[in-house]
Amino acid sequence: AQSVTQLGSHVSVSEGALVLLRCNYSSSVPPYLFWYVQYPNQGLQLLLKYTTGATLVKGINGFEAEFKKSETSFHLTKPSAHMSDAAEYFCAVSDRSNFGNEKLTFGTGTRLTIIP
Amino acid sequence: GAVVSQHPSRVICKSGTSVKIECRSLDFQATTMFWYRQFPKQSLMLMATSNEGSKATYEQGVEKDKFLINHASLTLSTLTVTSAHPEDSSFYICSAKQGAAFYTEAFFGQGTRLTVV
Repeated sequence: AQSVTQLGSHVSVSEGALVLLRCNYSSSVPPYLFWYVQYPNQGLQLLLKYTTGATLVKGINGFEAEFKKSETSFHLTKPSAHMSDAAEYFCAVSDRSNFGNEKLTFGTGTRLTIIP
Repeated sequence: GAVVSQHPSRVICKSGTSVKIECRSLDFQATTMFWYRQFPKQSLMLMATSNEGSKATYEQGVEKDKFLINHASLTLSTLTVTSAHPEDSSFYICSAKQGAAFYTEAFFGQGTRLTVV
């Protein structure tokens, strides 16, 4: 069984400051990893994903995340926060150990607030 | 990216009635569709997985007779909440995958907020 832990249900940063949202996973084998963003009353939009290859993944809107197998982490960062980044962010994993197991397991989410 | 359209975006219904939510992949054929439920300020809980032309696979604890899922074509899946009650009020989100591989990106609809009064 796999699980996802997002440390910090709420994160506040000043506009222009570094954004760091934490995600750790538990899985028997390294999974595929995803970050999604959700704006109020909307569905989820994929920010970035890691499947294989380079462990530093760049996504949309200036976000990036680094897969660290030794730390079982996939933290999301952005060098300079913008007001439009205020949203809910979800980390998710997809199990690669069983072909056809296509389900995403989500973390509990982190609400990012940007302080003007 | 691919577009998944969910309809309606909001619905209010009376207790005891049934509500149907549609999930359409507009520009790709969705081999698999997923239905999630999201409670306020919580994460998404997978309710069921549906493959075109076959019965949906429900997650443990989800009542299949209450949440009817039909995946009649490669571009349409529907979720019907039967005999809705106030505790069914929630945000329902569908997602669709273009391929069978588990690393294939899932595209999400915009969600449906159901309020049962």
